[in-house]
Amino acid sequence: TQLLEQSPQFLSIQEGENLTVYCNSSSVFSSLQWYRQEPGEGPVLLVTVVTGGEVKKLKRLTFQFGDARKDSSLHITAAQPGDTGLYLCAGAYSGAGSYQLTFGKGTKLSVIP
Amino acid sequence: DAMVIQNPRYQVTQFGKPVTLSCSQTLNHNVMYWYQQKSSQAPKLLFHYYDKDFNNEADTPDNFQSRRPNTSFCFLDIRSPGLGDAAMYLCATSREAGGRGEQYFGPGTRLTVT
Repeated sequence: TQLLEQSPQFLSIQEGENLTVYCNSSSVFSSLQWYRQEPGEGPVLLVTVVTGGEVKKLKRLTFQFGDARKDSSLHITAAQPGDTGLYLCAGAYSGAGSYQLTFGKGTKLSVIP
Repeated sequence: DAMVIQNPRYQVTQFGKPVTLSCSQTLNHNVMYWYQQKSSQAPKLLFHYYDKDFNNEADTPDNFQSRRPNTSFCFLDIRSPGLGDAAMYLCATSREAGGRGEQYFGPGTRLTVT
């Protein structure tokens, strides 16, 4: 059974601060996705990382995949109120002929103006 | 725009009264998933279809059933909803194996059980 530990679970910061969210596992994933979910909506895919050591940037968001493909981090620079939401990491593994995702428990981020 | 559509967005049903939630997709993806999500928790996979092949998670209650009449549509049937079934139900799609496991979610249906 693949498990994905995500931390912190809750984060409340002031506008302009930086933050990092972590996902860790003892399992190797074929890829890892990060999603953001706003209240009352479905998760929206932000990025997919595939290669160990890979770094991707999306404006003020930086995503990193660990060298061993067991962990990942999301760093947000100069957080803004629009970044508020539930951030979910999800590791992909192949099973039953399709990809299934193991989700972390999520990080609920509140950015205070 | 290609997308995953869920109807209705909000559904209220009575305790024990069957309810059906629907999902459609214009992405032409082979795989469709149904998740249950309770407040600020991670989505919990109920089942998925790879084409017409149905795959049930071991801990999905028998109360939950699903149908996929064609590539585009998938339905979630809750035969006798209980108060504990109140949640957000998310439909998602992905390409067949060979993709990178990316799933595309619909906006969800918020189910209330009275």
